Amino acid sequence: QLQLQESGPGLVKPSETLSLTCTVSGASISSSNYYWGWIRQPPGKVLEWIGSFYYSGSTYYNPSLKSRVTISVDTSKNQFSLNLSSVTAADTAVYYCASSSLAPSAFDIWGQGTMVTVSS
Amino acid sequence: SSELTQDPAVSVALGQTVRITCQGDSLRNYYASWYQQKPGQAPILVIYANNNRPSGIPDRFSGSSSGNTASLTITGAQAEDEADYYCNSRDSSGNHVVFGGGTKLTVL
Repeated sequence: QLQLQESGPGLVKPSETLSLTCTVSGASISSSNYYWGWIRQPPGKVLEWIGSFYYSGSTYYNPSLKSRVTISVDTSKNQFSLNLSSVTAADTAVYYCASSSLAPSAFDIWGQGTMVTVSS
Repeated sequence: SSELTQDPAVSVALGQTVRITCQGDSLRNYYASWYQQKPGQAPILVIYANNNRPSGIPDRFSGSSSGNTASLTITGAQAEDEADYYCNSRDSSGNHVVFGGGTKLTVL
């Protein structure tokens, strides 16, 4: 059974880089059956897609965040990571990693989410 | 701003049928998915590829799509269906994912 777990600092200072890791269990991150992504949700607000990647290596980012976002993969650890640079208070949110195996952009498995606060 | 538009709030009487809609030009070309989110919880996929239910989702949830509008229908709404519902799909480029603004469903 596929499971995802986010990890990383819960507090980041303004202008610094937010770094989170998603650990995948129950499936290989290199599998062609899955599409992986990061989604966030500021407190009391709506879901926002951050970016996604395919097993083939293709990576796509939200155009509004593209200049600050990098998603990387560590196949040896079965993990993928999110780096978001130059953060501000507007980046305070619950960050989710998720996977899609049923249809493109249909995220059927989600991590529990991790709250990240940007504050000095 | 989101490229997928949803009504902010909808209400339904217990046991009745409710339709939640999602509008966007990209829906003419790409599938819609629907998610249920309760406070403090991660979203749950309830419909994918316009009208398919993942395993474990009750059959009172159904989906459809026509033109630029996708719909989620709950037939015989239950108290536990009270939640926020989000649609998502691809944007017009096809490479990016977009979410709707969400609809808060109240079961009366």
